[in-house]
Amino acid sequence: GAGVSQSPSNKVTEKGKDVELRCDPISGHTALYWYRQSLGQGLEFLIYFQGNSAPDKSGLPSDRFSAERTGGSVSTLTIQRTQQEDSAVYLCASSLWGQGSPLHFGNGTRLTVT
Amino acid sequence: AQKVTQAQTEISVVEKEDVTLDCVYETRDTTYYLFWYKQPPSGELVFLIRRNSFDEQNEISGRYSWNFQKSTSSFNFTITASQVVDSAVYFCALSEWTGRLYFGRGTQLTVWP
Repeated sequence: GAGVSQSPSNKVTEKGKDVELRCDPISGHTALYWYRQSLGQGLEFLIYFQGNSAPDKSGLPSDRFSAERTGGSVSTLTIQRTQQEDSAVYLCASSLWGQGSPLHFGNGTRLTVT
Repeated sequence: AQKVTQAQTEISVVEKEDVTLDCVYETRDTTYYLFWYKQPPSGELVFLIRRNSFDEQNEISGRYSWNFQKSTSSFNFTITASQVVDSAVYFCALSEWTGRLYFGRGTQLTVWP
């Protein structure tokens, strides 16, 4: 079956522009997570969705970051007025609801802010 | 708060050597899950194993084995007879009740031919 799909795979943008990153989870997975991976920072949690609700947004670095999920499926992570420090690989993962369900990750979107 | 420590940043071995990756965790939860993920050069995080806090049996899968010890809060990962294809970054992770994973910083394993 299809895995987690993320688009675009690469995105280069100018400082100050807005970007949207898309995640299409595995069908039937109700939980969806966004992480960020940058050199020297490891895997940084951003936000978690259960269905269309986001009970945990504690990892969003600033109010320039937002995310939504519609229809319990596709999620979009939006970064407004991008800064150079936003450059990273943004990873999306999905899982069946419940502690202990393995997260299945997409290949990520590599964002470069110039 | 949940915390995972992988003290080894980088490990290099020669093919066919055994190698152990260390993972130590902290949690106040009585029920929790531990995971190992592999991230090869291609970049995708691949799930390897899950273990719950009530099951301390060691597990072996081919050349891979895992040693979970609650007494020392450790969940170590051993690769026997390493191969070049094992070269990757390996992450240990701990989950909270939402399923959110707390990752360690990862261990870069390089296996030389």
